[in-house]
Amino acid sequence: QKEVEQNSGPLSVPEGAIASLNCTYSDRGSQSFFWYRQYSGKSPELIMFIYSNGDKEDGRFTAQLNKASQYVSLLIRDSQPSDSATYLCAVRYGNKLVFGAGTILRVKS
Amino acid sequence: ETGVTQTPRHLVMGMTNKKSLKCEQHLGHNAMYWYKQSAKKPLELMFVYSLEERVENNSVPSRFSPECPNSSHLFLHLHTLQPEDSALYLCASSQLRPGGAASTDTQYFGPGTRLTVL
Repeated sequence: QKEVEQNSGPLSVPEGAIASLNCTYSDRGSQSFFWYRQYSGKSPELIMFIYSNGDKEDGRFTAQLNKASQYVSLLIRDSQPSDSATYLCAVRYGNKLVFGAGTILRVKS
Repeated sequence: ETGVTQTPRHLVMGMTNKKSLKCEQHLGHNAMYWYKQSAKKPLELMFVYSLEERVENNSVPSRFSPECPNSSHLFLHLHTLQPEDSALYLCASSQLRPGGAASTDTQYFGPGTRLTVL
């Protein structure tokens, strides 16, 4: 059973702070990792993917991957109220993505 | 139209009805997916089609029947559903690359169909 675990939250951060979202996965053979954002009532949209150990930065977002510890994280710098959403971690196994249940992020203005 | 579209956006049906969900992708991708999203549960993969051939079927009840007539269109035929089947049904597409330990094919989602079974 391939599992992806996320803290459901909600994670509350003040506007301008750094939000840190974490995800762990069960299968050491996993190669590709994705972060999606889902606003209430909307479909998931891709934020970033990462497949190499270390950090990958895109604007205010940084994905971090540690394959030895089997975790992947997403940092959001200078958090904005518009970042309030559910963040889904997904891990690729063969032809399919396995999703975590998501972490609710609330950015307070 | 661009991206991935789904129709209808909302559907209410009785347990004895037969209906179909439609998905169309305009991205030139070679793989399409159906997911089910229930409240407070992870996205559940239902079916995967690669080059119009079903390559994954995640133990989905037979009351859900997928159809992929070509690489741009995907249907989900519904019949004799149960109230617990009420959920958001999401279609996605991606460009699968052969082999590749670091394949990073990205899935793009449609807006979903909100299904309510009475």
